[in-house]
Amino acid sequence: KNEVEQSPQNLTAQEGEFITINCSYSVGISALHWLQQHPGGGIVSLFMLSSGKKKHGRLIATINIQEKHSSLHITASHPRDSAVYICAVGEGGSEKLVFGKGTKLTVNP
Amino acid sequence: ETGVTQSPTHLIKTRGQQVTLRCSSQSGHNTVSWYQQALGQGPQFIFQYYREEENGRGNFPPRFSGLQFPNYSSELNVNALELDDSALYLCASSWNRGGYGYTFGSGTRLTVV
Repeated sequence: KNEVEQSPQNLTAQEGEFITINCSYSVGISALHWLQQHPGGGIVSLFMLSSGKKKHGRLIATINIQEKHSSLHITASHPRDSAVYICAVGEGGSEKLVFGKGTKLTVNP
Repeated sequence: ETGVTQSPTHLIKTRGQQVTLRCSSQSGHNTVSWYQQALGQGPQFIFQYYREEENGRGNFPPRFSGLQFPNYSSELNVNALELDDSALYLCASSWNRGGYGYTFGSGTRLTVV
């Protein structure tokens, strides 16, 4: 059974700061997802990674398969980035995603 | 390309009642997965449907059941509602069964009183 751990659980930053959220998992995976969830619930898929690095705007996601670790970075953070960021992994051949508990990010102006 | 649509967005039911939640998958996706997210927790896998057949189930009792239709839309049915069933129910569609390319709906917030 895959265990997905995220850190930190809560993060408060000032506008403009560089943010890093970490995710570790215990079993080999087929893909790792970074998701954003705003108050009210809707989930937006930010990235899906199986290796290397992806960038979209101010967001960067990296994954190290050997170390079973991924990071989500936000550059020049903004109050609108305030949300819960969730890491989820898909196991090879498995039908389900296993989710971390999320990191609640608050960016103050 | 349409996204994943869930209905209703909010719902209040009484303990013991039955509820049906609906999900329209993204165009081109043949797989739908349902997740339950309790307050303050990460989503938990309920089950997945692939081409109208159940393709995996999480640790949920039989009173949680589902359907997938020929157009790949899906329903989640919960019988004999309990207070602990209060949660956000998320639907995600994908074009395969293996954890790739998920698109999530905005969820249905179910409150059981």
